[in-house]
Amino acid sequence: AQSVTQLDSQVPVFEEAPVELRCNYSSSVSVYLFWYVQYPNQGLQLLLKYLSGSTLVESINGFEAEFNKSQTSFHLRKPSVHISDTAEYFCAVRDTSGTYKYIFGTGTRLKVLA
Amino acid sequence: SQTIHQWPATLVQPVGSPLSLECTVEGTSNPNLYWYRQAAGRGLQLLFYSVGIGQISSEVPQNLSASRPQDRQFILSSKKLLLSDSGFYLCAWSVQGGRGNTEAFFGQGTRLTVV
Repeated sequence: AQSVTQLDSQVPVFEEAPVELRCNYSSSVSVYLFWYVQYPNQGLQLLLKYLSGSTLVESINGFEAEFNKSQTSFHLRKPSVHISDTAEYFCAVRDTSGTYKYIFGTGTRLKVLA
Repeated sequence: SQTIHQWPATLVQPVGSPLSLECTVEGTSNPNLYWYRQAAGRGLQLLFYSVGIGQISSEVPQNLSASRPQDRQFILSSKKLLLSDSGFYLCAWSVQGGRGNTEAFFGQGTRLTVV
């Protein structure tokens, strides 16, 4: 079975400052890793994903995440945040074989301050 | 392109009343289907998932049930709602097999308040 830990429930940060949202996972098998973003009262949108290959993955809006197998982590970073990045961010895993279950962390609420 | 429809967007129901939330996917066939519940501070809890018609896996014992009467239709039900059933319910789908599309795609959610 897999599990995901997002230690930070809330992260306040000033506009144009860098941010890191932490994600650690536990799994006895190989996994795919995902970051999703959720705006108020909406569904989740995929931000980026790690399948294999390069351990650094990037999104189109400036976020990046690095897969670290030894530390079982997949932290999300952005060098300079905007007010519009205020949202809740979820880390998720799914094993690479056929169970198709997506396991999510408890989420991190990012609040960007002017 | 594929789309997922989930309704209603909001619902207020009295304790003890029945529940039926419907989710349909368009533009794909034989998807994996999921129901999640989101409660404050608890993230997304997987309730049910289905890899085919009539195949339902329950992840959490609870007051809810799910059915998949058609390939792209997934229904979440309850015979008698409890206060603790309040929350934000999300339907999702993913592609079976393959390596390209590995992520789950989510509907817009239903905010259920049991009063």
